[in-house]
Amino acid sequence: EAGVTQFPSHSVIEKGQTVTLRCDPISGHDNLYWYRRVMGKEIKFLLHFVKESKQDESGMPNNRFLAERTGGTYSTLKVQPAELEDSGVYFCASSRRVDTQYFGPGTRLTVL
Amino acid sequence: GNSVTQMEGPVTLSEEAFLTINCTYTATGYPSLFWYVQYPGEGLQLLLKATKADDKGSNKGFEATYRKETTSFHLEKGSVQVSDSAVYFCALTRAGGTSYGKLTFGQGTILTVHP
Repeated sequence: EAGVTQFPSHSVIEKGQTVTLRCDPISGHDNLYWYRRVMGKEIKFLLHFVKESKQDESGMPNNRFLAERTGGTYSTLKVQPAELEDSGVYFCASSRRVDTQYFGPGTRLTVL
Repeated sequence: GNSVTQMEGPVTLSEEAFLTINCTYTATGYPSLFWYVQYPGEGLQLLLKATKADDKGSNKGFEATYRKETTSFHLEKGSVQVSDSAVYFCALTRAGGTSYGKLTFGQGTILTVHP
């Protein structure tokens, strides 16, 4: 069974540009989560999808971030326009049961 | 709100030494508790978990006991190996409600084990 995959593994963009991160969850996992770790700080929750619906988006920092999960399969996280403080590692996780999440390798975003 | 506090690292040990990484938490109700590990160049992996008071999670020689009276979930291993070098994260999630599933993490502890 394939694990959670994320693309790209690393993205370098300039301030003001747009970046879209993609996450492919484990097949059959209805729950999909986004987290990020900024500047060596703790990993912070961004949002939680159940199938295509947003269950909890309380961690989204502002309206420059847009997450979608069309058809309840893969998810995208768009940052537009990117700011310097958005740099960090963005993790995606999926689960069948909410108490056992499987994480992807992360996307390292660098905003210059 | 919920929070997790881990002992600050980095932690450096010799092979076969005893490991303890402290973790305490603040949460309402009865959260589930987790330890995740991130090996160099890889994503987070669930190491062990406990879902109720006095439960002991264990995996790969690591253990942690859910202590409600001290709100702690300390990670221990009796004899570490070089391959245990990684970053360890303590985390919790609420037992229910709309934010069930939202993991709250500690800041992570870097462990380096020397031969």
